Amino acid sequence: EAGVTQFPSHSVIEKGQTVTLRCDPISGHDNLYWYRRVMGKEIKFLLHFVKESKQDESGMPNNRFLAERTGGTYSTLKVQPAELEDSGVYFCASSPQIRANTEAFFGQGTRLTVV
Amino acid sequence: LAKTTQPISMDSYEGQEVNITCSHNNIATNDYITWYQQFPSQGPRFIIQGYKTKVTNEVASLFIPADRKSSTLSLPRVSLSDTAVYYCLVGYNTGFQKLVFGTGTRLLVSP
Repeated sequence: EAGVTQFPSHSVIEKGQTVTLRCDPISGHDNLYWYRRVMGKEIKFLLHFVKESKQDESGMPNNRFLAERTGGTYSTLKVQPAELEDSGVYFCASSPQIRANTEAFFGQGTRLTVV
Repeated sequence: LAKTTQPISMDSYEGQEVNITCSHNNIATNDYITWYQQFPSQGPRFIIQGYKTKVTNEVASLFIPADRKSSTLSLPRVSLSDTAVYYCLVGYNTGFQKLVFGTGTRLLVSP
């Protein structure tokens, strides 16, 4: 079974440009999360989808960030326009909606560098 | 979600047993204790989860005292490949809710 897949693995863009990160969760997982770690800081929650609905987007830093999950399958996280402070590693995770206290499966992350 | 405190870093040698303790004084009655491992350039990976007493799997053991205000992750006979950051997380419905990561413990295993 394929794990959580993120694309691209690395992205270098200039300030002001737009970048779109993609996450393919494990098939059948209703829960999809986005996290990020900026330089020197802890991994922070961004938002949580249950199928195609946003369950919790309390961690989204500002309106330059837009997340979508069309059809409840893959998800995209768009940053527009990108700023220097958006540099970091963006992780996606998924988990099944089966029972409580199951584990979340993480992708390898997308390293975003804004120059 | 309960806050956790764990050592910033630990050093060990191959073949030794490593114990990483996490404090979670404000743990709620329904909260579970979960540990994740993260290698460089990878996402966190679930290691073990427990509620009370002791849990053991093929990777590690988790010891939780009766008051549940702390927990200890035990890695038997570590190898160089166990060098990673280990995160202790506390919460309920951890499969359905956001995870709150602390600083983690950076374990360095040397030959």
